[in-house]
Amino acid sequence: ILNVEQSPQSLHVQEGDSTNFTCSFPSSNFYALHWYRWETAKSPEALFVMTLNGDEKKKGRISATLNTKEGYSYLYIKGSQPEDSATYLCALETSYDKVIFGPGTSLSVIP
Amino acid sequence: ETGVTQSPTHLIKTRGQQVTLRCSSQSGHNTVSWYQQALGQGPQFIFQYYREEENGRGNFPPRFSGLQFPNYSSELNVNALELDDSALYLCASSLKVAFHEQYFGPGTRLTVT
Repeated sequence: ILNVEQSPQSLHVQEGDSTNFTCSFPSSNFYALHWYRWETAKSPEALFVMTLNGDEKKKGRISATLNTKEGYSYLYIKGSQPEDSATYLCALETSYDKVIFGPGTSLSVIP
Repeated sequence: ETGVTQSPTHLIKTRGQQVTLRCSSQSGHNTVSWYQQALGQGPQFIFQYYREEENGRGNFPPRFSGLQFPNYSSELNVNALELDDSALYLCASSLKVAFHEQYFGPGTRLTVT
């Protein structure tokens, strides 16, 4: 069974700090890696879909990289703001039409 | 374009009962996936429906079943409810093309007592 791990489990940063967290997985046998942001009382929102080794995506202050050979993806947030507070989920889209989520990293940005 | 909606928002059922959860896909999407999210865990894949056929299934027993209708809305049915079925149930719609992002509904919170 493919296991997707995320670290850290939770993170508290000051407003303005930059931060990053990790999604790791044991296999490169997947179609895509997805990052989602899930704010409390809202629906998970898609951030990035990544497909190639060395893929990099950016949306405003948030960016992500993917290393399929070593089995990890990083999500970076530059200059964290209180509105960035959320749980960040990564998910692998496998070859069997399944999407396997990690447990998430909970980010709190303190004003 | 309309977003993904789910009903009901909350539901309380007794062990052994049956429940039906509903999901309305985003306009134009032909694929719907259902997930169970227990406290402290990421969403767990239950199954996916594409053009009214089950198109992939996670490690859930047969008492979890689904339907997708011609308008691409969907139902999740759970029979013989167990206490461990208490969770947030999310549906997500997408297009059946490679690497297409999913759009999630707000979820249905099911409590089994």
